[in-house]
Amino acid sequence: GNSVTQMEGPVTLSEEAFLTINCTYTATGYPSLFWYVQYPGEGLQLLLKATKADDKGSNKGFEATYRKETTSFHLEKGSVQVSDSAVYFCAQNTNNAGNMLTFGGGTRLMVKP
Amino acid sequence: GAGVSQTPSNKVTEKGKYVELRCDPISGHTALYWYRQSLGQGPEFLIYFQGTGAADDSGLPNDRFFAVRPEGSVSTLKIQRTERGDSAVYLCASSFKGQGSSPLHFGNGTRLTVT
Repeated sequence: GNSVTQMEGPVTLSEEAFLTINCTYTATGYPSLFWYVQYPGEGLQLLLKATKADDKGSNKGFEATYRKETTSFHLEKGSVQVSDSAVYFCAQNTNNAGNMLTFGGGTRLMVKP
Repeated sequence: GAGVSQTPSNKVTEKGKYVELRCDPISGHTALYWYRQSLGQGPEFLIYFQGTGAADDSGLPNDRFFAVRPEGSVSTLKIQRTERGDSAVYLCASSFKGQGSSPLHFGNGTRLTVT
């Protein structure tokens, strides 16, 4: 079945460090891929998305490229800030007609000043 | 504008009781979703509405769980004979038309604790 696997956290970095959070997926067909972020005390928010192979989603300095050959959608940021501390979820839509999402388990990022 | 609103934000109930969780989607969003998020895990799909009808309820764990959306806007998730394993954060999301790449807008969730 469809699934999403992402690296376990927590990931602890110093401010201005480079961030990578790995995400791989299994799917029948060609899903759209998403990264959602959950800041402390807030609801899930869409961070970025990519709808087809080789697309790059980007927002707030974060980027992720849809790699069909490796079934991956790794999240990267060149220089993290303390305010990026949150839980990050990779997701795919499992049914284009309904846009139901399958999420990974989440990765907690902690950025220290 | 207003986002997805869920009430109550917290609910503590005793094992065996009945609970209702409410979701007010973003105005104009025809698609509404319920997810359940257990501690330390990602959200898991429960049910999806397109308008008033449940288009897919394959994620509901058993027949103790039921959801309605009678007028195509507000939705209520109902859990009968609650069990301690039902304790989780229940998330509601809505999207415009429920199309493939339409982003889901999530509420802050209802934290349900069954004692």
